[in-house]
Amino acid sequence: EVQLVESGGGLVQPGGSLRLSCAASGFTFSDHYMDWVRQAPGKGLEWVGRTRNKANSYTTEYAASVKGRFTISRDDSKNSLFLQMNSLKTEDTAVYYCARSFSTTQIAFDIWGQGTMVTVSS
Amino acid sequence: SYELTQPPSVSVSPGQTARITCSGDALPKQYAYWYQQKPGQAPVVVIYKDSERPSGIPERFSGSSSGTIVTLTISGVQAEDEADYYCQSADSSGTYPVFGGGTKLTVL
Repeated sequence: EVQLVESGGGLVQPGGSLRLSCAASGFTFSDHYMDWVRQAPGKGLEWVGRTRNKANSYTTEYAASVKGRFTISRDDSKNSLFLQMNSLKTEDTAVYYCARSFSTTQIAFDIWGQGTMVTVSS
Repeated sequence: SYELTQPPSVSVSPGQTARITCSGDALPKQYAYWYQQKPGQAPVVVIYKDSERPSGIPERFSGSSSGTIVTLTISGVQAEDEADYYCQSADSSGTYPVFGGGTKLTVL
């Protein structure tokens, strides 16, 4: 079964850091671009960022709202995706989903994890 | 920044047809995707590449495209279709994914 499972969410103070993980199974993780998408409470979906695959040099892209604060990385040997979040703000409070890209040419998501909640509050 | 515009809400009676639109300047050049999200659950793709339906998605879900507007059509709406629906595409460069604001479908 194709599956993505996020972990690492929790409560953190403004200015703090948190690292999210996403464990993939049931498919060849190394072939795929992988993304993070978030959803603030009661709000819509917001793309956070992407890591491309090895064939595309693991390059990354970020939304303007998180660029310079968040870093996406991956470990293909462990079928894992990561999101390092620094300098967190209250507006970063959201459910964070990892998502698999359809393909290297389709900028969209065919598999989603169940999400992990991040709360930024003092 | 690039935006996709959806109506906030659509209401239909069971058995009727629901149409949810999404407009964006780059839609003639970029594919559109539709996701269904029920409360407390992750999104699920119901339409990809404007009009393709993934396996396991009921035939009553269909998608179409005309210029800068794409439409998700749900024929013979059922109570279980009540959910939030999000369109998604990419900016004109094809680099950055963008989501519409979402449409809450209410089955009366």
